[in-house]
Amino acid sequence: EIVLTQSPATLSVSPGERATLSCRASQSVGNNLAWYQQKPGQPPRLLIYGASTRATTIPVRFSGSGSETEFTLTISSLQSEDFAVYYCQASETFGQGTKVEIK
Amino acid sequence: QVQLQESGPGLVKPSETLSLTCTVSAGSINNYYWSWIRQPPGKGLEWIGYIYYTGNITKFNSSLKGRVSISVDPSKNQFSLNLTSVTSADTAVYYCARRLRRPTFSWFAPWGRGTLVTVSS
Repeated sequence: EIVLTQSPATLSVSPGERATLSCRASQSVGNNLAWYQQKPGQPPRLLIYGASTRATTIPVRFSGSGSETEFTLTISSLQSEDFAVYYCQASETFGQGTKVEIK
Repeated sequence: QVQLQESGPGLVKPSETLSLTCTVSAGSINNYYWSWIRQPPGKGLEWIGYIYYTGNITKFNSSLKGRVSISVDPSKNQFSLNLTSVTSADTAVYYCARRLRRPTFSWFAPWGRGTLVTVSS
């Protein structure tokens, strides 16, 4: 069974700064990695699939990279609406989430 | 744009069966996989299972130890979740979602808004 470990658990960032989130898989998943954003009281929203393909309507400041066991979600310049919890997913497994909060 | 809506009781007694339905609108249930995912209050996401629209392909989270079943009714554009012998550990927001796939990867989109199910006597 694949285990996804996200780091850090909490990331404190100032608006306009760059945020880098990590997701590590316990075994190779190839490019089978998606990222989601979740705000309080809302369902998760797909950001990235296939490790690096942005979903429809997702702003270009969101980018995904990586393969096999190491993946990164980068938010190039944080906007106020980007403060949320982010989850990675491979097949039927989710990571535990990274909370991006205002510094 | 496809939309999903969960429905069902918000309160279930311990040892009873949790039953939810997801209605798909503005699109067809055909040719896709459909999933249930849950999120205990303040915690992360847990995949429950999925079903193909024909009903002949299913997969479930082994951690649920055979308590889960999922069915589909293409004529109503609906699919349903049954979780038996519930305990307080099954208290969560339950989401339905479409599972999309390519040869080497899969993802979930869109998601329903979710429904909170509380297990309590």
